[in-house]
Amino acid sequence: QQQVKQSPQSLIVQKGGISIINCAYENTAFDYFPWYQQFPGKGPALLIAIRPDVSEKKEGRFTISFNKSAKQFSLHIMDSQPGDSATYFCAASMDSNYQLIWGAGTKLIIKP
Amino acid sequence: GAGVSQSPRYKVAKRGQDVALRCDPISGHVSLFWYQQALGQGPEFLTYFQNEAQLDKSGLPSDRFFAERPEGSVSTLKIQRTQQEDSAVYLCASSLTVGGNQPQHFGDGTRLSIL
Repeated sequence: QQQVKQSPQSLIVQKGGISIINCAYENTAFDYFPWYQQFPGKGPALLIAIRPDVSEKKEGRFTISFNKSAKQFSLHIMDSQPGDSATYFCAASMDSNYQLIWGAGTKLIIKP
Repeated sequence: GAGVSQSPRYKVAKRGQDVALRCDPISGHVSLFWYQQALGQGPEFLTYFQNEAQLDKSGLPSDRFFAERPEGSVSTLKIQRTQQEDSAVYLCASSLTVGGNQPQHFGDGTRLSIL
């Protein structure tokens, strides 16, 4: 019940296209859903996060869509650029518990 | 810089040796986390500090792993009698306050290789 399932494992998108990564969770007590971006040799960096009281959050080219009833959330990267090539992790937590539960990651490659 | 700093960046040790990994969190951050990240995997929680108190060490794989944060700032993760399965990247993260909804800021990790 603590798992966060992420798909796809890897994704190749043409420059300028839309990259979509999906996550699903089981624990309805989760109330914070961040996405992290990680480049090789670097630590994960917080990209964008959402709470379940909104269905969508947009920051620049990055959008989180959240479906509370389906217990799913997704990251959309619009106008994908080669510099977006990285591994993306979704995660979930609850305010009452500091532990982040991580997805397995998606390796995104943007082809020029 | 103002980010989380980890040292060393790379550590090679022979099986059976002890190693110590250091984390300098962002100044003033109350919460500090250690994670282990295997190649191609997501980070896995090891332990959590709130100031100097180690509130959770449930993720430490064995009693060979020990972490401390004696003054509520710098933290050290120590691994005794290292084994090959300890090879991984060890990440440290800090957050300003307590609670699971706080952004965690990560260092670039220490890549540990056990020969």
